[in-house]
Amino acid sequence: QSVLTQPPSASATPGQRVTISCSGSNSNIGSNYVYWFQQLPGTAPKLLIYRNNQPPSGVSKRFSASKSGTSASLAISGLRSEDEAAYYCATWDDSLNGRVFGGGTKLTVL
Amino acid sequence: EVQVVESGGGLVQPGGSLKLSCAASILTFSDSDMHWVRQASGQGLEWVGRISTKSNTYATAYTASVKGRFTISRDDSKNMAYLVMNSLKIEDTALYYCTDGSANWGQGTLVTVSS
Repeated sequence: QSVLTQPPSASATPGQRVTISCSGSNSNIGSNYVYWFQQLPGTAPKLLIYRNNQPPSGVSKRFSASKSGTSASLAISGLRSEDEAAYYCATWDDSLNGRVFGGGTKLTVL
Repeated sequence: EVQVVESGGGLVQPGGSLKLSCAASILTFSDSDMHWVRQASGQGLEWVGRISTKSNTYATAYTASVKGRFTISRDDSKNMAYLVMNSLKIEDTALYYCTDGSANWGQGTLVTVSS
């Protein structure tokens, strides 16, 4: 059972917009920055978003994120087949004194 | 180009030990916390631990399941981080990634604990 709760799966058709949620608590999302990672099959995780809503250079502007209270979300617009991957949220947990990951959301592009 | 390369994985018996190394050509290595993250086959990402910087007294933190068994260290003069794993259990079997917790990740090194 992950400290951060994500839906295990999501799906949408090419061109659509999909949102992935990440729910936590005051000790983690509520008081720390949220990161989002994309993991394509057989590859290392790739940073998509840092500090709640900042995309690193080189990341497509189709990816955006937000945070409100103890929840965060990642949005992907103009969905493409190459977006099919697992997506993870992560943050620091002050109570656990450690980083925590969501369980991951496997996105399927239909 | 930034590169993070892990090494040292392999097959070890339960109760055994292993030392993983991480070579990171990160420009700001000495100013970066370094983390170890693992992923069992077909499973999600699990944070293992972190070592902070000299300015933060090289403080370490670990996930509960490895506390007392795993130790993270670093050598800033060599841009290296290490993970020493003792009293290994079958459930420690995973691909172990070294990362600055943000944009820089290695490709991982596989640790298999089995008799």
